[in-house]
Amino acid sequence: DVKVTQSSRYLVKRTGEKVFLECVQDMDHENMFWYRQDPGLGLRLIYFSYDVKMKEKGDIPEGYSVSREKKERFSLILESASTNQTSMYLCASSLSLTRSYEQYFGPGTRLTVT
Amino acid sequence: SQQGEEDPQALSIQEGENATMNCSYKTSINNLQWYRQNSGRGLVHLILIRSNEREKHSGRLRVTLDTSKKSSSLLITASRAADTASYFCATEGSTLGRLYFGRGTQLTVWP
Repeated sequence: DVKVTQSSRYLVKRTGEKVFLECVQDMDHENMFWYRQDPGLGLRLIYFSYDVKMKEKGDIPEGYSVSREKKERFSLILESASTNQTSMYLCASSLSLTRSYEQYFGPGTRLTVT
Repeated sequence: SQQGEEDPQALSIQEGENATMNCSYKTSINNLQWYRQNSGRGLVHLILIRSNEREKHSGRLRVTLDTSKKSSSLLITASRAADTASYFCATEGSTLGRLYFGRGTQLTVWP
């Protein structure tokens, strides 16, 4: 079974702090994704990566950056957290871009910025 | 926007009844996928249907796809209380691997 883990289930940070959200997958997947989920808005893609050190912007990249130094790990960074970044953050992975594959999701990190 | 749109937003039924959720989208797709999310958890993939397929089954799930109408439906037969969750459709367009999720249908199944 594919397992996608996220470093924290709940996180509380203060405005202006730098925040790191970590995601690890154990199935040698090439693609990794970061989404945020807000009530009434569904899932919105922040960034994705299809290879080590490669990244692509999603629909809402402003205020975020990412890092993928190793294939299994994809980090989301909030450079200076703001209250409008309070949300549920979901990481996902999929096998490759050579054909269509399903995405496997982690349990999510509920981030509160005060 | 390439985001799909589910209908209804919320659905409440009794155990044993069938549940039908619909998804509409605006652009051409490679495939459409359905996911389930239990309260406060990550999403779980249910079924993938490709643009050249019209119907697919998996256990109690039946998915149809009508590319001419740009719509899909998810049917859950003989619902159980454990089916209570949010259901999302997601479309994959020209960028392989990238999915566009809808806002979801909240299904409640009463025992």
